[in-house]
Amino acid sequence: EAGVAQSPRYKIIEKRQSVAFWCNPISGHATLYWYQQILGQGPKLLIQFQNNGVVDDSQLPKDRFSAERLKGVDSTLKIQPAKLEDSAVYLCASSFAGADEQFFGPGTRLTVL
Amino acid sequence: AQRVTQPEKLLSVFKGAPVELKCNYSYSGSPELFWYVQYSRQRLQLLLRHISRESIKGFTADLNKGETSFHLKKPFAQEEDSAMYYCALGSPSGNKLTFGGGTRVLVKP
Repeated sequence: EAGVAQSPRYKIIEKRQSVAFWCNPISGHATLYWYQQILGQGPKLLIQFQNNGVVDDSQLPKDRFSAERLKGVDSTLKIQPAKLEDSAVYLCASSFAGADEQFFGPGTRLTVL
Repeated sequence: AQRVTQPEKLLSVFKGAPVELKCNYSYSGSPELFWYVQYSRQRLQLLLRHISRESIKGFTADLNKGETSFHLKKPFAQEEDSAMYYCALGSPSGNKLTFGGGTRVLVKP
């Protein structure tokens, strides 16, 4: 089966600009996650969707980050405006159900200058 | 609050030697623990989870609730085990994962 797809793979922007990342989960997976992984650290959950509803966004910086999964399939994560500390790899993952194994995408590496 | 600590940033061992990656967690409930691995230029993937009690690629991990640890072990390391390893703690409600900082394993020939 095809894995989790993410685009773009790399993005370089200047601070205060906006950026969006896209994720397409494995077909049939109801749960979708966005993680932020800063260099030298483990992934940190930003937001979890169950179908098109948000399950957990407690660690999402809502003043600048937003995410949606309108049709319960693919998802977009946006940062507006970006700060230097947002430089990280943004990982998308999906699972069949909330407690199942998570499958990760290749990630988007964001550099904010 | 959930917390996962991996005290070693880097472990360097020779091929055929044992390797043990330490993981300690902080959680008040009944934990679900996982080890994820990321090989060079590959995606993060599940290696094993404590409830399955399996040995995957020769690796085992035992949950010690008294010491709040979930160390990963392999008796004879292989060069293909060189990778980044992350310990993760799952919430019981919906598999919200809290990851440790990771340990890079380098197996030398």
